[in-house]
Amino acid sequence: QSVLTQPPSASGSPGQRVTISCSGSSSNIGSNTVNWYQHLPGTAPKLLIYRNNQRPSGVPDRFSGSKSGTSASLAISGLQSEDEADYYCAAWDDSLNVGVFGGGTKLTVL
Amino acid sequence: QVQLQESGPGLVKPSQTLSLTCTVSGGSISSGDYYWSWIRQPPGKGLEWIGYIYYSGGTYYNPSLKSRVTISVDTSKKQFSLKLSSVTAADTAVYYCARYNDRSGCFDYWGQGTLVTVSS
Repeated sequence: QSVLTQPPSASGSPGQRVTISCSGSSSNIGSNTVNWYQHLPGTAPKLLIYRNNQRPSGVPDRFSGSKSGTSASLAISGLQSEDEADYYCAAWDDSLNVGVFGGGTKLTVL
Repeated sequence: QVQLQESGPGLVKPSQTLSLTCTVSGGSISSGDYYWSWIRQPPGKGLEWIGYIYYSGGTYYNPSLKSRVTISVDTSKKQFSLKLSSVTAADTAVYYCARYNDRSGCFDYWGQGTLVTVSS
């Protein structure tokens, strides 16, 4: 049972926009920034979004992040087949004193 | 480009100590901006942060694992290591090393992970 809650799956057709949610509490998302990672099994996870909505250099602007209260979202616009991967949200938890992750969302491009 | 690579045994017997090493290339392990971390993912489950070490040797561990975890660093070899004692089947997981960037508050580089199975 992950501390941050994500839907286990999401899907969309090429070109569409997809949103992945991440729900937490006041001790994690409510009081700290959220990061998002993209993971293709067998490869190194890749940082997509940091500090809620910042993109590292090299990450396309099709990827965007937002946060409101104790929830955060990752949006992917102009969906491409190469976006098919697992996506994880993460934040620090002030009560547990650990970094916590969501359970991951498997994105399928139809 | 910073790269991290995990290495170590893929099979550990119950009650023994799991030992893994992460080798850093393409960047300095001694920069004050980074914390060198271990994260794991049991099969079919989510990611769990294990702990991190600063280049000077300061550590912080997940309280749920603290009694069994030791992370150390060898800056001359650009390596940091994980030891997890008294392992059980529940410690079977893919273990990742990662760099925590204190400026951006995130794990900005990860290794590709190594599967460690605890079994007799």
